[in-house]
Amino acid sequence: GQQVQQSPASLVLQEGENAELQCNFSSTATQLQWFYQSPGGSLVSLLSNPSGTKHTGRLTSTTVTKERRSSLHISSSQTTDSGTYLCAIDGNNNAPRFGAGTKLSVKP
Amino acid sequence: EAAVTQSPRNKVAVTGGKVTLSCNQTNNHNNMYWYRQDTGHGLRLIHYSYGAGSTEKGDIPDGYKASRPSQENFSLILELATPSQTSVYFCASGDERLFFGHGTKLSVL
Repeated sequence: GQQVQQSPASLVLQEGENAELQCNFSSTATQLQWFYQSPGGSLVSLLSNPSGTKHTGRLTSTTVTKERRSSLHISSSQTTDSGTYLCAIDGNNNAPRFGAGTKLSVKP
Repeated sequence: EAAVTQSPRNKVAVTGGKVTLSCNQTNNHNNMYWYRQDTGHGLRLIHYSYGAGSTEKGDIPDGYKASRPSQENFSLILELATPSQTSVYFCASGDERLFFGHGTKLSVL
């Protein structure tokens, strides 16, 4: 089945620095989503980006489908960006599988 | 905005007891999913459904049953709860973009 690997597992930044999060997957994906999860909270969809580059606010996602990888770039990080970022890839049967996430901590 | 409601928010159960987790969505999505989240494992897929009357096994279905009696409702059933099923359970719906409920924290003692 679909395997999803995220890196780094954790990241600590000073406010204002940029973050680069990676997601690698084992099989062709037709759907790829990035989610944000606040500490102890639920998941909120940030971007859906199965291929190419997409921007929303301070977030940029680039997915290279044939290399089976996606990145999420967060520019000018803020303390409120702290939390866990997860990527989800649909499998052959279209049920999304998740990576273990990147825990981001932004210090003031 | 899609609404996915889970109940209960918190549940304490005894080993060997039956637990039912409920999920309701109001956006007419065909697809619904149950995941559990544990430290170090991310979200793992338990069961999912493509529509009323359908249930499919995910990656970790052992010890769990699912029921989709209607488009809106999708339940996860633990017939004989065990301490290893202590976890946070998330329901999601969506045919492309996923929408999540707030989660159910289950403790099996």
